[in-house]
Amino acid sequence: GENVEQHPSTLSVQEGDSAVIKCTYSDSASNYFPWYKQELGKRPQLIIDIRSNVGEKKDQRIAVTLNKTAKHFSLHITETQPEDSAVYFCAASKRSQGNLIFGKGTKLSVKP
Amino acid sequence: DAGVTQSPTHLIKTRGQQVTLRCSPKSGHDTVSWYQQALGQGPQFIFQYYEEEERQRGNFPDRFSGHQFPNYSSELNVNALLLGDSALYLCASSSYLWEGQETQYFGPGTRLLVL
Repeated sequence: GENVEQHPSTLSVQEGDSAVIKCTYSDSASNYFPWYKQELGKRPQLIIDIRSNVGEKKDQRIAVTLNKTAKHFSLHITETQPEDSAVYFCAASKRSQGNLIFGKGTKLSVKP
Repeated sequence: DAGVTQSPTHLIKTRGQQVTLRCSPKSGHDTVSWYQQALGQGPQFIFQYYEEEERQRGNFPDRFSGHQFPNYSSELNVNALLLGDSALYLCASSSYLWEGQETQYFGPGTRLLVL
């Protein structure tokens, strides 16, 4: 079955710097890759997703890139702010299936 | 427009007991997936319900069962509770026709503590 690995497990940046979180997946049939942000005690919130027919997607300060050949995808956050501090999870799935396979998460701390 | 809701928010049970958790999907959604999130871990897929049937199942024992009602709401039942069942149980809703069942929006979760 699918396996998703996520790095780093913790990441600390200064406010205004960029942050990059990387994930690799094992199943080449996976074609949907969402990213979730989970603040302490809150629900995972879908912040951006990408499908295998595109290589990059942007939404304001957040971008995701996908390399299908290498089977890895990354989350890029620019101009980080203290409110970006949270645990970020990547996941992988196949279209029209329900079983999102999650990475173990990255705890991002943005220092003012 | 209501988002995904879950009840109860917290629950304390003892080993061997049974528990039922409830989920109402986002308006317009027809698919409900359940996940277990242990402390410090990513969510793990339990199963997914669509058209009142279990469509997919993760690597969880038969003690975990579910149901979906005609109004698309869902229940998760866990029998013979073990200490290791203590976790945050998340419900996620999605739409088969619109964004696809893989685009999932999570509820706030039910935190279950088994003593």
